[in-house]
Amino acid sequence: EPEVTQTPSHQVTQMGQEVILRCVPISNHLYFYWYRQILGQKVEFLVSFYNNEISEKSEIFDDQFSVERPDGSNFTLKIRSTKLEDSAMYFCASGTRWSGEQFFGPGTRLTVL
Amino acid sequence: AQTVTQSQPEMSVQEAETVTLSCTYDTSESDYYLFWYKQPPSRQMILVIRQEAYKQQNATENRFSVNFQKAAKSFSLKISDSQLGDAAMYFCAYRPSTNAGNNRKLIWGLGTSLAVNP
Repeated sequence: EPEVTQTPSHQVTQMGQEVILRCVPISNHLYFYWYRQILGQKVEFLVSFYNNEISEKSEIFDDQFSVERPDGSNFTLKIRSTKLEDSAMYFCASGTRWSGEQFFGPGTRLTVL
Repeated sequence: AQTVTQSQPEMSVQEAETVTLSCTYDTSESDYYLFWYKQPPSRQMILVIRQEAYKQQNATENRFSVNFQKAAKSFSLKISDSQLGDAAMYFCAYRPSTNAGNNRKLIWGLGTSLAVNP
């Protein structure tokens, strides 16, 4: 069964460093999403991506964040200069045009020291 | 603004018994999707069940079923014959039914932590 994959599973970085979180969505999906979940808190939407551009973003998704689909299979989230409060679980999800559900990857746990 | 409320931060159930998790939501949309996701300790987000608002019939998936009350904006999850592997965080989520590129994000409740006692 096709699934969304994410790498790395855990990333530790120093404050101020850049990180790139990688996702491979399900191959025939057209909509891609990033969510984050700070430990013990609710899941928060970051950004959605369709047709090679951002279709929606939250107020969390400021200039420090960017997304890219560099090669037609990978979907990346870049955090330019990480802050302590960026420590969270980051989930990638993908979905089709017509179905309602979003399929989630296993997440990347980001720890900023 | 659309919101999702889960009023039970923690629940527990005896193995083999039935438990119901509550979820209410607020929206002015007439067509939308509702979901229950399970997050075990591994923190993977697993879709348990989905409901389209236009469907009157409640969704079921094996031991999992929902009680969807559109007028009351209520969407509860019933787990029958609870198993130890059902222990997890359960999130209720909402999404408008739109084919536009935007406004497709999931809106989440705070979650209910379910413990299953042997």
